[in-house]
Amino acid sequence: NAGVTQTPKFQVLKTGQSMTLQCAQDMNHEYMSWYRQDPGMGLRLIHYSVGAGITDQGEVPNGYNVSRSTTEDFPLRLLSAAPSQTSVYFCASSSGQSSYNEQFFGPGTRLTVL
Amino acid sequence: KQEVTQIPAALSVPEGENLVLNCSFTDSAIYNLQWFRQDPGKGLTSLLLIQSSQREQTSGRLNASLDKSSGRSTLYIAASQPGDSATYLCAVKGNTPLVFGKGTRLSVIA
Repeated sequence: NAGVTQTPKFQVLKTGQSMTLQCAQDMNHEYMSWYRQDPGMGLRLIHYSVGAGITDQGEVPNGYNVSRSTTEDFPLRLLSAAPSQTSVYFCASSSGQSSYNEQFFGPGTRLTVL
Repeated sequence: KQEVTQIPAALSVPEGENLVLNCSFTDSAIYNLQWFRQDPGKGLTSLLLIQSSQREQTSGRLNASLDKSSGRSTLYIAASQPGDSATYLCAVKGNTPLVFGKGTRLSVIA
C-alpha cells in the first residue's frame, strides 16, 4: 500500500491564482481530512469528509473548497490564492471514527503564495 | 471547544536520559489520543494511539499514558538517543477530527 499520497510536494503561486492540492489513499478509508501547519499555530483543520459525497468545514475553511466524489480522493481547491495561505498542507485518513481508528498522514505539500 | 496544550515547548537533554513530555486537553469526552513524531520538513509519523478506555500503551522505548478524567497524557522516552530529536505532537480525537497541540521540540545531545 502507498498509504496517503499528496501532490505536488512543493508549489509557488502568485496572488489570485487557483490550484488544486491532490490527496489520495489506497486503504479504503472512509474518513479524510485536510490540515494546514503554520509556525506557532500548530496543525489546524481546514475541511474533512466522513465518506464519499459528504464534507464538512473545520476550524479554518475560508478560501478553500473540497469535494469527495470517490472514497480514494479528497482534493483541496484554492480558488484565489492569498499570501495568508502560504503554509504546509497535510492530508490524513482513517478507517472510521472509533476509538481504535488511527489517523495516517501524507507527506505534505509546501505552498508559497507570492 | 477542545484545546490541547503541550509543555514544554522545547526540551534539550543529554543522550541516555529518560524524559517525559506532557499533553493536556480541556474536554475529557475523547475517543482516543495519538502521539506523533515530526522531523524537520517532513510529515507526521504516528507513534502511539491510546483509546479512551486504556490507561497506557507501549512501543519499544516509548510509553504513553492517559488520564482522561484529568485531561492529561504523558509520553515517556527511555534512554534517549540523538535520533529521537524531533518535534513530538499530541492530538485528541472527539466528535470532530483530531485537535493538535503545538508540539514539543526535543533535542538529544550526544
